[in-house]
Amino acid sequence: DTGVSQDPRHKITKRGQNVTFRCDPISEHNRLYWYRQTLGQGPEFLTYFQNEAQLEKSRLLSDRFSAERPKGSFSTLEIQRTEQGDSAMYLCASSLGLAGARKDYEQYFGPGTRLTVT
Amino acid sequence: LAKTTQPISMDSYEGQEVNITCSHNNIATNDYITWYQQFPSQGPRFIIQGYKTKVTNEVASLFIPADRKSSTLSLPRVSLSDTAVYYCLVYNYGQNFVFGPGTRLSVLP
Repeated sequence: DTGVSQDPRHKITKRGQNVTFRCDPISEHNRLYWYRQTLGQGPEFLTYFQNEAQLEKSRLLSDRFSAERPKGSFSTLEIQRTEQGDSAMYLCASSLGLAGARKDYEQYFGPGTRLTVT
Repeated sequence: LAKTTQPISMDSYEGQEVNITCSHNNIATNDYITWYQQFPSQGPRFIIQGYKTKVTNEVASLFIPADRKSSTLSLPRVSLSDTAVYYCLVYNYGQNFVFGPGTRLSVLP
């Protein structure tokens, strides 16, 4: 399977704990995105990387959230001191964002990590 | 980023053609129109993208009038497996996606 993979698929944690999610994008894709989705809503953009550089971070994103993509391949999203409001599906997507190709409109999403904070 | 408006939900029957219209009155010259489909417990999946007139692929057609202030996603002969949420996005290269609540399509037998 050469699609986007995410790990874990489900995570239950207690309020105040830290959690980390991993995303493995499609290998040749240079752009990687993180989204958060709650029930009945569309995905909400969190941040994105081009290669290893984090180019944009949503203004709505709390300082408790941090993301890395150390070698331009996989990425991790960490949430510190989780709150019940962080309960959501966390989606990762990747795309080929080359200027000449203009293919970054076609994002490939992973299955998501469902986080439940109790 | 241009704001989009689409119906919250639609019902259809198997075998019918479904048209979902999206309004994007403040679309910019360089913006493209992109549609995604999402099944429960899965990430969204790209369906089709267009700039003007008509685009067709193996899954759907996208109709965009000359003023580009709206677009219509057309799904031919839907089946039960087309029950999903459909998102219309207005997008420019290098911008980030802004998903609205989408249109929840229910296909009935």
